[in-house]
Amino acid sequence: QSALTQPRSVSGSPGQSVTISCTGTSSDVGGYNYVSWFQQHPGEAPKLMIYDVSQRPSGVPDRFSGSKSDNTASLTISGLQAEDEADYYCCSYAGTYTWVFGGGTKLTVL
Amino acid sequence: EVQLLESGGGLVQPGGSLRLSCAASGFIFSGYAMTWVRQAPGKGLEWVSSLSGGGGNTFYADSAKGRFAISRDNSKNTLYLQMNSLRAEDTAVYYCAKVSGYTSGWHRGWFDPWGQGTRVTVSS
Repeated sequence: QSALTQPRSVSGSPGQSVTISCTGTSSDVGGYNYVSWFQQHPGEAPKLMIYDVSQRPSGVPDRFSGSKSDNTASLTISGLQAEDEADYYCCSYAGTYTWVFGGGTKLTVL
Repeated sequence: EVQLLESGGGLVQPGGSLRLSCAASGFIFSGYAMTWVRQAPGKGLEWVSSLSGGGGNTFYADSAKGRFAISRDNSKNTLYLQMNSLRAEDTAVYYCAKVSGYTSGWHRGWFDPWGQGTRVTVSS
């Protein structure tokens, strides 16, 4: 149950796009299309932004998109806005009803 | 509207026990699996435990096996996490979350929504 690998931080200017990667193994990210992404603002609970690799829950702006290639999933945020500044976590199903999270990425909007 | 409200956190000495609760409303509680996720101070999210809608199937992270027990009372729409033999490294905010999307084959589901969390501090 090793954590998925995410960059510690990414940054971008308003209006730009950023991509956050999430690397696992064939036992988690690469083995299932059950990757989700969460946004967490300081002092708040995580909020679901993407599920099933690329599906957006209702209410999540279409600026947020997800994808996966082999053992790496990615979250792309386009048209960056100030309110997107937060921590982002990926999560993958890892078999036998277990899950693993990434270490988290701090997004700074410059 | 789905709502989850955790309680039961607090300060406990190493080796002690604590039972967390998560009161659910706004959905058919017995129909959905539930999960606990924790976050140590300044750290990332860690999956702790999940159980099926009926409560008969439970699953744990290695860090929780043998010490924690997840359960639910569907008549009270409440999820529990009994934590025993607590260690300093168990200090964290504990969140409960609904495993959404599927009532069967729920491993395909996703964690949404989450409660606001309850803080557990293990210290002498």
